[in-house]
Amino acid sequence: QQQVKQSPQSLIVQKGGISIINCAYENTAFDYFPWYQQFPGKGPALLIAIRPDVSEKKEGRFTISFNKSAKQFSLHIMDSQPGDSATYFCAASMRNQGGKLIFGQGTELSVKP
Amino acid sequence: DTGVSQDPRHKITKRGQNVTFRCDPISEHNRLYWYRQTLGQGPEFLTYFQNEAQLEKSRLLSDRFSAERPKGSFSTLEIQRTEQGDSAMYLCASSPPTGRDSYNEQFFGPGTRLTVL
Repeated sequence: QQQVKQSPQSLIVQKGGISIINCAYENTAFDYFPWYQQFPGKGPALLIAIRPDVSEKKEGRFTISFNKSAKQFSLHIMDSQPGDSATYFCAASMRNQGGKLIFGQGTELSVKP
Repeated sequence: DTGVSQDPRHKITKRGQNVTFRCDPISEHNRLYWYRQTLGQGPEFLTYFQNEAQLEKSRLLSDRFSAERPKGSFSTLEIQRTEQGDSAMYLCASSPPTGRDSYNEQFFGPGTRLTVL
């Protein structure tokens, strides 16, 4: 019930295209859903996050879509650039459990020029 | 640089040796988290502190692992009698105090990569 499942495992997109990464969770007590971007040899960097009372959040080229009834959320990267090539992790947490993050398995994104 | 810092960045040790890692959180962040990340996987929660109090430990944290945050500032993670299965990236994250309507954004350090030979 604590798991967060992420797909696809890897994704190849042409420059300028839209990258879409999906996550699903089981525990309806989760109340915070961040996305992290990680480059090789670096720590994860917070990209964008959403709460379950909002269905969509947009920051620049990055958008989170949240479907509470389906217990799913997704990251959309518009106008994907080669510099976006990295591993992306979705995560979930509960404020009343100290906010520890439960991460998905990661998606390795490659944006081809 | 005002981000989370970790030291050392890389550590190679022989099986059976003890190792200690240090994490310096962002100033005034009261929560500090340790995670472990193996190749091709997402980070897994190990433990967290609120100020100097260790509030939760994962079942992943065997009795060979111990973490401290003595004055509510920096934290150390010690692994005793290292095993090859301990080889991983150890990540530290910190988050600021949260109000009733806020959520704890966690900011990660660069990690310490441990290799146990």
